[in-house]
Amino acid sequence: EAQVTQNPRYLITVTGKKLTVTCSQNMNHEYMSWYRQDPGLGLRQIYYSMNVEVTDKGDVPEGYKVSRKEKRNFPLILESPSPNQTSLYFCASQRLAVGDTQYFGPGTRLTVL
Amino acid sequence: GQNIDQPTEMTATEGAIVQINCTYQTSGFNGLFWYQQHAGEAPTFLSYNVLDGLEEKGRFSSFLSRSKGYSYLLLKELQMKDSASYLCAVKGDYKLSFGAGTTVTVRA
Repeated sequence: EAQVTQNPRYLITVTGKKLTVTCSQNMNHEYMSWYRQDPGLGLRQIYYSMNVEVTDKGDVPEGYKVSRKEKRNFPLILESPSPNQTSLYFCASQRLAVGDTQYFGPGTRLTVL
Repeated sequence: GQNIDQPTEMTATEGAIVQINCTYQTSGFNGLFWYQQHAGEAPTFLSYNVLDGLEEKGRFSSFLSRSKGYSYLLLKELQMKDSASYLCAVKGDYKLSFGAGTTVTVRA
């Protein structure tokens, strides 16, 4: 089954404790992206990647890191989480074709105390 | 940059029709997407418009006017399961920029 997976689905942590949210897709998509979703603000892009070893900042990259060492994986790293990073996070992937939609993972609900 | 506006909330009765408007101002345009998102779940694709006009898909239709920077999503024969948030998203080169979403509540 074609899908985007994220782990963990739920995470409660404390300020300053490094964490990684994994994202994996099995559709051989070149493009991958991370979003955060907050009430009233919609989905905002954190980082994206056009292909292996190619990443770039989105609209709200501060406090986050990513890497793209393999085509299928695009982990999101929070080196020192803070309470303002409490949010719902989605990973997405798509082919590099203009009309193609993005496919979203199930989401990771992160709470930073 | 992108500026995408859609109403925050709409309420309608089961069996009725609801139209969700989306206006946008963008620096580049490669199409407009509509997604449906149930609370706490991932967005799922509904429609894509890149040329002006109406695209119909069963109970859902989407319209685009590029010259006016305007789109709408039309939901017909509303069902309770259509209660969800509907996201308008404009595509630049490859990046998708999203509106804040419209929460539609369907009442019996």
